[in-house]
Amino acid sequence: NAGVTQTPKFRVLKTGQSMTLLCAQDMNHEYMYWYRQDPGMGLRLIHYSVGEGTTAKGEVPDGYNVSRLKKQNFLLGLESAAPSQTSVYFCASSYARDYGYTFGSGTRLTVV
Amino acid sequence: SQQGEEDPQALSIQEGENATMNCSYKTSINNLQWYRQNSGRGLVHLILIRSNEREKHSGRLRVTLDTSKKSSSLLITASRAADTASYFCAIGSNTGNQFYFGTGTSLTVIP
Repeated sequence: NAGVTQTPKFRVLKTGQSMTLLCAQDMNHEYMYWYRQDPGMGLRLIHYSVGEGTTAKGEVPDGYNVSRLKKQNFLLGLESAAPSQTSVYFCASSYARDYGYTFGSGTRLTVV
Repeated sequence: SQQGEEDPQALSIQEGENATMNCSYKTSINNLQWYRQNSGRGLVHLILIRSNEREKHSGRLRVTLDTSKKSSSLLITASRAADTASYFCAIGSNTGNQFYFGTGTSLTVIP
């Protein structure tokens, strides 16, 4: 039982490059989330999904896109990476709205 | 802002002592959660307390919620070096589908 798996764990991008972060969960959770964590800022929600085929914007969605084509996978895309997107990205899932989240181990992204 | 604010930002105690950290918020909530994050790792869910509950326990953890003061506290009793981590509260407002995380309390337990 892997829980929530994020790939890759580390990545360095050049400004303007694009990439996709993959989140996979094997718990049959409906809800999935993408957060970014920056020093002194806590975790901020980028996008989330309340079920297969649905996505919604969080607090800081600009510069990111997401897709949830399969229930178990939630993809986060950076269209044109900027240094301000240097951060640690966490994916999480939950059974329903008012349940605890299961987090992945994070992706450390550096944009140079 | 719908974020919770943890207090203190940093706490250092001796092993065996109790650790208390607080979370204040400004909105009406459905529930509130506490998470632990070890350095370089993902967050781990500790406890969820609903707005109609006042206290919950889980092992050495005790969480209280005072909705009239818009605050919650997390008490770790008989702390261990392994409790060294950052602790976050997450606010579940009664609108929307997500929780809002604070900036955390960094706890150091000295052996």
